[in-house]
Amino acid sequence: RKEVEQDPGPFNVPEGATVAFNCTYSNSASQSFFWYRQDCRKEPKLLMSVYSSGNEDGRFTAQLNRASQYISLLIRDSKLSDSATYLCVVTGGSYIPTFGRGTSLIVHP
Amino acid sequence: DAGVIQSPRHEVTEMGQEVTLRCKPISGHDYLFWYRQTMMRGLELLIYFNNNVPIDDSGMPEDRFSAKMPNASFSTLKIQPSEPRDSAVYFCASRRTGGLETQYFGPGTRLLVL
Repeated sequence: RKEVEQDPGPFNVPEGATVAFNCTYSNSASQSFFWYRQDCRKEPKLLMSVYSSGNEDGRFTAQLNRASQYISLLIRDSKLSDSATYLCVVTGGSYIPTFGRGTSLIVHP
Repeated sequence: DAGVIQSPRHEVTEMGQEVTLRCKPISGHDYLFWYRQTMMRGLELLIYFNNNVPIDDSGMPEDRFSAKMPNASFSTLKIQPSEPRDSAVYFCASRRTGGLETQYFGPGTRLLVL
């Protein structure tokens, strides 16, 4: 089993739609969780951290379920500019990250 | 503040040649990471340094790969000899201790080995 697993997609949604991605991790001792965004032919960039109580940043909501070992990312009112690959990232006790393969999102007019 | 700087941005070489990738981390960052990204494997951690010391190189594919960090502002990843299966995008990233663990990536080097 891979350490961090994501549905590769692509998720193809119209503008204004709500879309959700899940990510599962295998190491129950994982410490920190993040979502990164990677645009085509660009480097990954931090989108948001994921906190145990869940957190929101504008149209983006991240949640963590430690019991089931998954994190989620919800995007409301999708914009064309949200089209990208979303990488789930999990770190262990050494704070060295493990990246998922990413979920591709395509938002169309 | 300048971000992570990588050079070259693109490299095309022939099988058997030596390839050297370069990285300048963000000033003040004490961790440096080298990653490789391919469609098949996604983003793989190759090696990381803390205060210029290699901490974990278990991700380095084989002896053809080597990495150095002679000082806090410079690191190299060398492939010798290169093979077509080394074709990938190589990213360098840095972060500082206590910096919310956020990694900052460079723009990457696109390597094509013919």
